[in-house]
Amino acid sequence: GAVVSQHPSWVICKSGTSVKIECRSLDFQATTMFWYRQFPKQSLMLMATSNEGSKATYEQGVEKDKFLINHASLTLSTLTVTSAHPEDSSFYICSARRSQMAPLHFGNGTRLTVT
Amino acid sequence: AQTVTQSQPEMSVQEAETVTLSCTYDTSESDYYLFWYKQPPSRQMILVIRQEAYKQQNATENRFSVNFQKAAKSFSLKISDSQLGDAAMYFCAYRSDNQGGKLIFGQGTELSVKP
Repeated sequence: GAVVSQHPSWVICKSGTSVKIECRSLDFQATTMFWYRQFPKQSLMLMATSNEGSKATYEQGVEKDKFLINHASLTLSTLTVTSAHPEDSSFYICSARRSQMAPLHFGNGTRLTVT
Repeated sequence: AQTVTQSQPEMSVQEAETVTLSCTYDTSESDYYLFWYKQPPSRQMILVIRQEAYKQQNATENRFSVNFQKAAKSFSLKISDSQLGDAAMYFCAYRSDNQGGKLIFGQGTELSVKP
C-alpha cells in the first residue's frame, strides 16, 4: 500500500528558532499534500493545502509567514515553523494523495515541543 | 462551509458487544464522500470505512458498518463484536472535490473497550 513518511517523529526546539518537518510519499507521486495540526484530545485542524509546483493554500487563521510550506517535488512537502513559540507545540500530521479522486494517506505525525 | 459534528466525546463498550458512534454533517453539496478514521495511541490515522454519497447502499468492512442517511445528513459507525484493539479515537470526516478534496474532521469520539 501507499506509504507516507514524516520526519522527524518528534522534535524539541527552543523558543525563537525554526524547525522543518518533512513529508514524503515513498511509493507514489503526490500531486497534493495536506498539513494538519492536532492538539491533545482534539481533532485534526487543516492548516494548508500544498500542490506541487505552486503556492500553498492556507486555511483561515493560519499565518502563512509563520508556517512556511514548500512542495517542490511530487514526493516531498515541507512545513517550516518559523520563530517557534511554546504555543506552537502540537502534533503535526501530513497527508498525501496521487490525484484528486485518490484516497488520502497519512504520515505518522511529528510531535513538536517548543521550550 | 461544511461542518462535521460528533456529539459523543467518549463512548464505552463491553468486549464482544456492539457500539454505534454518531456523526452528523452539514453541506449544501450533493456529491461528496464520508469517512471514519481510527486514531490509536500511536496517533497513526487509519481509514476504517468510506462511503460515497451517491451510493444508497451502506458501506461495510468486516465488523464495521455505517448507517448513511443522506437526507438527515447522518453517518453513524457501528462496530460489532468489539475487540480490545478497537479502543481508540474515532473521527468522522467529510470530503468534497469541490473544496479541493480536503478532509474536514469531526471532534472525535474516544472509544474504550472493557474486557
